[in-house]
Amino acid sequence: QVQLVESGGGVVQPGRSLRLSCAASGFTFSYYGIHWVRQAPGKGLEWVAVISYDGSNKYYADSVKGRFTISRDNSKNTLYLEMNSLRAEDTAVYYCAKDVIPYCSGGSCYSYFDYWGQGTLVTVSS
Amino acid sequence: DIQMTQSPSSLSASVGDRVTITCQASQDITNYLNWYQHKPGKAPKLLIYDASNLETGVLSRFSGSGSGTDFTFTISSLQPEDIATYYCQQYDNLPLTFGGGTKVEIK
Repeated sequence: QVQLVESGGGVVQPGRSLRLSCAASGFTFSYYGIHWVRQAPGKGLEWVAVISYDGSNKYYADSVKGRFTISRDNSKNTLYLEMNSLRAEDTAVYYCAKDVIPYCSGGSCYSYFDYWGQGTLVTVSS
Repeated sequence: DIQMTQSPSSLSASVGDRVTITCQASQDITNYLNWYQHKPGKAPKLLIYDASNLETGVLSRFSGSGSGTDFTFTISSLQPEDIATYYCQQYDNLPLTFGGGTKVEIK
C-alpha cells in the first residue's frame, strides 16, 4: 500500500536551518509530483511547495520562497525540504502529499492529494 | 492568489443530522475543488474531488456539489466517527489554497 513517512522535524532556533525528508513506498515515486503542506498550531492547512515528477519544476508559496528548497531523489524514493532562515511562523506540522496526476510538470496540472504522510513537527523557538 | 472562504468555522450537530459546509472561491474555479477530512494526529484524507466525485472507498453519506465560485459539502447523516475538521481546496491555480476549515462536533 502507499506510504509516505516524514522525518527530520524538531526544535530549531530562529534563523537556523533544518532538512525534512519524506520516504515513499507502494507506488512508482518517479511518476508523480509531490507536495509539502503544513499546519501551524491551531491553524488550517497551508500549501508550501511542489516538485514535478522528474524534479525539473518547483513551485513555492510566497511565504517560503527564497528560504525553502524542495528536492527529490528518485533513486531513493525520497522527497526533501531544505528550510533555511527559519522563523517562528514556520512552526507547524509538515506533511508530504502525493499528487494524483502522473507526469505533471507545468504549473497548471497539479490537482489534489490522494495520499498524505502522518506529518513531522517543526518548532522554531529560541 | 485565489482565496477560499469556508463557513461555518465550526458546528455542533446531533448524530443522524444532515450537515452542510460551504466554500466560496474569490474567482471562478470551474469545478477544481476538493474536500478533505482531517482528524487530530492523523493524515488528512481526500473525500471529494472535482467538486462532486466521491473518492474510492469513501462512504456515500459524504457528497459535494457546486461550480464556479460556490460549493457545498454535505454529510447526509452525521456519525460519531465523522468528528473532524473539513477543508476545501482549489486547484485552478498555484498556489493551491485551502479554506479555513470547519470543525464538526457532536452535540
